Amino acid sequence: GENVEQHPSTLSVQEGDSAVIKCTYSDSASNYFPWYKQELGKRPQLIIDIRSNVGEKKDQRIAVTLNKTAKHFSLHITETQPEDSAVYFCAAKAGYSTLTFGKGTMLLVSP
Amino acid sequence: DTAVSQTPKYLVTQMGNDKSIKCEQNLGHDTMYWYKQDSKKFLKIMFSYNNKELIINETVPNRFSPKSPDKAHLNLHINSLELGDSAVYFCASSQDGRIGWETQYFGPGTRLLVL
Repeated sequence: GENVEQHPSTLSVQEGDSAVIKCTYSDSASNYFPWYKQELGKRPQLIIDIRSNVGEKKDQRIAVTLNKTAKHFSLHITETQPEDSAVYFCAAKAGYSTLTFGKGTMLLVSP
Repeated sequence: DTAVSQTPKYLVTQMGNDKSIKCEQNLGHDTMYWYKQDSKKFLKIMFSYNNKELIINETVPNRFSPKSPDKAHLNLHINSLELGDSAVYFCASSQDGRIGWETQYFGPGTRLLVL
């Protein structure tokens, strides 16, 4: 089955800095890669996703890149703000299979 | 007008008891899921139903039994609760889980504590 590795497990940045979270996956058939944000005590919510036929996608301050050859994808957050503090999960899915999540990255943005 | 709702929000119970968690979605989705999030925040799929039919059962102990009376509801019954069952259980739904790419919408979670 699919295995998703996510790094780092914790990331501390100053407000205004950029943050990058990286994930690798094992199943070359995976073709859908969403990112979820989970604030403390809340539910995971989708913030951005990318399909395998696209190399990069951007939505305001967040962007995701995908390298299918290397089987890795990354989340980039620019101009971080304190409200970006949360746990971020990457995930990968191949067709009819389940969505496999990484173990999460706790992002702390200090004012 | 909550999209995916769960009850109860908190559940504190003794070892050995039987308990149920209910989930409802009003998004018109065909697929519903149960996830377990442990103390280390790891999100792991337990079950998936598509239009009331079980499509995924990820090596979960048979003390856990999902039931889908209709495609808008997916309940989780747990028999003989153990300490290790303590976790947050999230219900989720998506338009059609058999398709490769689509958003899963999560419920607010049920925090289960087994004493």
